[in-house]
Parts: sequence; C-alpha cells; structure tokens
Amino acid sequence: AQKVTQAQTEISVVEKEDVTLDCVYETRDTTYYLFWYKQPPSGELVFLIRRNSFDEQNEISGRYSWNFQKSTSSFNFTITASQVVDSAVYFCALSEGTGNQFYFGTGTSLTVIP
Amino acid sequence: SAVISQKPSRDICQRGTSLTIQCQVDSQVTMMFWYRQQPGQSLTLIATANQGSEATYESGFVIDKFPISRPNLTFSTLTVSNMSPEDSSIYLCSLGSGSSYNEQFFGPGTRLTVL
Repeated sequence: AQKVTQAQTEISVVEKEDVTLDCVYETRDTTYYLFWYKQPPSGELVFLIRRNSFDEQNEISGRYSWNFQKSTSSFNFTITASQVVDSAVYFCALSEGTGNQFYFGTGTSLTVIP
Repeated sequence: SAVISQKPSRDICQRGTSLTIQCQVDSQVTMMFWYRQQPGQSLTLIATANQGSEATYESGFVIDKFPISRPNLTFSTLTVSNMSPEDSSIYLCSLGSGSSYNEQFFGPGTRLTVL
C-alpha cells in the first residue's frame, strides 16, 4: 500500500492565486515525521519543512503554510499569492520512527502561469 | 546544513557500459542513501550505505547492478553497471543522522541518459 499519497498529479494556477497541495499518509507508528520537498526543473531537491507527529501546530513561513491534521492523516501545503518561481514538482514524504527510510509521494507538478 | 556534491552532474552513456557516481559531503555522516528517480516518477530508495559495512539494498535492487562503496564518513560512490536505457534516471545521494528525526538533505543529483 502506498504510504504517501499525493492525489494531484498536475496543477496549474494563474500567478497570485492561492494553491493547496494535498498529502495523505499512512503509518502505524506513533512517532513519525512528515516532510515537503520542492524539485525545480533543475532537478535538485529542496527541503521545505519537517513536522513530527507530536506537533500538530500549523506553520507559516512567508507565503508557505502547512496544515497537519492527524485525524485525517493529512499534511497539506498551501502557497499564497503564487509566483512563477513556485513552478516545480512538490513531494511529500514520510519517515517512520522505526527506520530511516523516507517514503515519497508521487509528487505534484505545479505550474504557475504569469 | 551539510553541503552535498555529486559528480558527474549529468552524463550520456552507451548501453552496456558502467558509470560511477560520486557523492561528497562536507561533514562526517553516519548514514548515506542512494535514490533513483526515473523520468516523471517519484524517488525510490536503492540502498543505505553505512561506513565500514556492506550496503543494504531495497527490494528490486541488487549489488551486482548497483555496487556501492563507502570508504569513509564523507564519501560514497554508486556504480550503475551494464547500463540499459531503463537506467536513465536522476540518481541522488542523501544523508541522514541515524534517526528519522533528521532533515534528509539531498545532493544535486546526477542525470543519467543511456542510449
């Protein structure tokens, strides 16, 4: 079974629109960590955020915000006032407390149209 | 955060040949990981490389095809052997601190195209 599901394969928005990228995870561990990474066309993976399973506080960093809800096993990512430079593939990932392996979702390709 | 470099950044290779990818970190790390990202796909873990021990391979990956070296705490290599076009991917190394709390940082990747 897929441990991390990103149902949105591709999203296109017009610049300045808000956009939310969905991430649903599955784990039996009580201790786990959730991550978001950005992969621009150049290919490198850029770390955006880490959240542990005991901290459900939402986080805001500039135009980025994350909504972690254990009740629905979701860790959604919102970009406010999107910009062309936000165009990239975004990956959600899960790391369980029992190991070091990261489980990546299939990614959401975001295109911001000027 | 650690600085991770990979060589080469990209390469185009002929079928049947082998390519060794280097991963260098500017600090000592316990665990290093090698991932493959096939075109348009997500990342798949190939193996975990600990210094001083044999690499641990994930299901579907074998040492004969992807031999890994980890001679010290700052360096690792991944070889893609007897390449075929299906091996065309981005190969990324990443590092971890030995617990899943770590922010797993990734190298810039090596784009491999096999003709």
